[in-house]
Amino acid sequence: RKEVEQDPGPFNVPEGATVAFNCTYSNSASQSFFWYRQDCRKEPKLLMSVYSSGNEDGRFTAQLNRASQYISLLIRDSKLSDSATYLCVVNTNSGYSTLTFGKGTMLLVSP
Amino acid sequence: EAGVTQFPSHSVIEKGQTVTLRCDPISGHDNLYWYRRVMGKEIKFLLHFVKESKQDESGMPNNRFLAERTGGTYSTLKVQPAELEDSGVYFCASSQEMQGRTDTQYFGPGTRLTVL
Repeated sequence: RKEVEQDPGPFNVPEGATVAFNCTYSNSASQSFFWYRQDCRKEPKLLMSVYSSGNEDGRFTAQLNRASQYISLLIRDSKLSDSATYLCVVNTNSGYSTLTFGKGTMLLVSP
Repeated sequence: EAGVTQFPSHSVIEKGQTVTLRCDPISGHDNLYWYRRVMGKEIKFLLHFVKESKQDESGMPNNRFLAERTGGTYSTLKVQPAELEDSGVYFCASSQEMQGRTDTQYFGPGTRLTVL
């Protein structure tokens, strides 16, 4: 079983749609959770951290379910510029800060 | 403020040759990480420096890979001799030193390595 699993997509949605991505992680000791965004042939960029209480940043909402080892990202009112690959990232933090990445979910927003 | 920079952006070499990748972290960031993405796979951790010391090198694939960070500033990752399976994108990231929690890692643009 992979450490971080995501549906690779692609998710094809029209502008204005709401889309949700899910991710599961295998290591119950994981302590920090993130969504990164990666545009084609670019570096990953932090979109948002994910907290147990859930958190929102504008059109983006992230949720964490530790019991189910499940992370989600909801994007409301999709924009063309949201087209990218969304990476679910986990830090096990066994004293170190190394990140474990999922393969990513591709989102394509069309006019 | 300048971000993480990497050089070169692309490198094409033949199997058996040597390649050295360079990463300049964000100024003042003590933590420096190397990651790699091979085609079709997820980004994977290679190693982590805190200043000039290797904190964790558990992700280094084999002894053909040598990373250094002399003086605790920029880092180099040397592959010698390169093999076909070393092809991929090598990312460097840096973060500030934080007590007790993971700080944001900022990634460089990556070096795309192709071994023929």
